[in-house]
Amino acid sequence: EAQVTQNPRYLITVTGKKLTVTCSQNMNHEYMSWYRQDPGLGLRQIYYSMNVEVTDKGDVPEGYKVSRKEKRNFPLILESPSPNQTSLYFCASSSEGTGANVLTFGAGSRLTVL
Amino acid sequence: ELKVEQNPLFLSMQEGKNYTIYCNYSTTSDRLYWYRQDPGKSLESLFVLLSNGAVKQEGRLMASLDTKARLSTLHITAAVHDLSATYFCAVRVIQGAQKLVFGQGTRLTINP
Repeated sequence: EAQVTQNPRYLITVTGKKLTVTCSQNMNHEYMSWYRQDPGLGLRQIYYSMNVEVTDKGDVPEGYKVSRKEKRNFPLILESPSPNQTSLYFCASSSEGTGANVLTFGAGSRLTVL
Repeated sequence: ELKVEQNPLFLSMQEGKNYTIYCNYSTTSDRLYWYRQDPGKSLESLFVLLSNGAVKQEGRLMASLDTKARLSTLHITAAVHDLSATYFCAVRVIQGAQKLVFGQGTRLTINP
């Protein structure tokens, strides 16, 4: 089944404890992206990647890092999480070759930073 | 900076009624997307609109795009309870890249 898989789905952590949210897609998509969803703000883009070793900042990149060493994986790293990073995170991917570039989203990762 | 605004943000309606959700954006773009999100779930693609005057329909939902007015509408015909969800529009910022800006979302509740 074509899908985007995120882990963990739920995580409670404490301020300053580094964590990584993994994202993997099995559709051979070139494009991958991370969003955070907060009430009343819709989805805001954190980082995106057009292909392996190509990443760029979205609208809210502060406090986050990403890497794209393999085409299928795009992990989101919080080096020193803070409470304002408590949010629902979505990873998404699309193929650049189809023209419409419709995103396929993962199931989401709910992160709480205490 | 591209801004995307939806209205209304909350909509409660009765089954069988028609209504429209509006999505305005502030700068030129070449494509617009509509997504649906059920409570506690991920986002599901509904429509992608690629040109001025584009109209797409799926069941009771119809989306249209007016690039000159920078406006897209999502029209719901004879609403049914199953359409209760949050609906997002998203606009592509940079041609050749997939940098999307989402609206705030419209939470739609359809009552029997």
